[in-house]
Amino acid sequence: GAGVSQSPRYKVAKRGQDVALRCDPISGHVSLFWYQQALGQGPEFLTYFQNEAQLDKSGLPSDRFFAERPEGSVSTLKIQRTQQEDSAVYLCASSSGGSPGNTIYFGEGSWLTVV
Amino acid sequence: RKEVEQDPGPFNVPEGATVAFNCTYSNSASQSFFWYRQDCRKEPKLLMSVYSSGNEDGRFTAQLNRASQYISLLIRDSKLCDSATYLCVVTFNDMRFGAGTRLTVKP
Repeated sequence: GAGVSQSPRYKVAKRGQDVALRCDPISGHVSLFWYQQALGQGPEFLTYFQNEAQLDKSGLPSDRFFAERPEGSVSTLKIQRTQQEDSAVYLCASSSGGSPGNTIYFGEGSWLTVV
Repeated sequence: RKEVEQDPGPFNVPEGATVAFNCTYSNSASQSFFWYRQDCRKEPKLLMSVYSSGNEDGRFTAQLNRASQYISLLIRDSKLCDSATYLCVVTFNDMRFGAGTRLTVKP
């Protein structure tokens, strides 16, 4: 499809396990964002890429979280040694412009449950 | 203090009612403003941009007051299908979301 694609849609991880979440942005989109959304909360900013450059990672909650976008298209969010508080929906979004003021389009999210 | 603050609601209104949501932001240098809508277990989707001059899209009116760092969304003649969570979004170097205001429109 032409939208933002995320995988896996659902992931159950045992506490301490590492997980990798993938995002395929809309083709040609320069900007890519990752957000974490806990139940009943709004999306919380994690990190922002412009092409392959990670311009802002101030929202990553700990050094267990790592994101990359090596070729400026597909991005991976990795969470090491998962903990129960990591359970959330991880939303990826992309936009065509190089500045955050452009409309962003979200994927359906990766629902992570840590047990 | 969170960068973007919204009244979480919930707002429960009858069909046909007019309802208004407010949002405040802390960064006076913020550049762009949006309202997104999020349905249960779905991703957020753009509802409308917000401009200083105010803008209207059918039953929806959005306004921005830069001096007070305040954004509003007005929904007139509310419909059952307006039931959702409404997210206020503010951009500076990246996009920051409020926690959302939940609206339920009842018959």
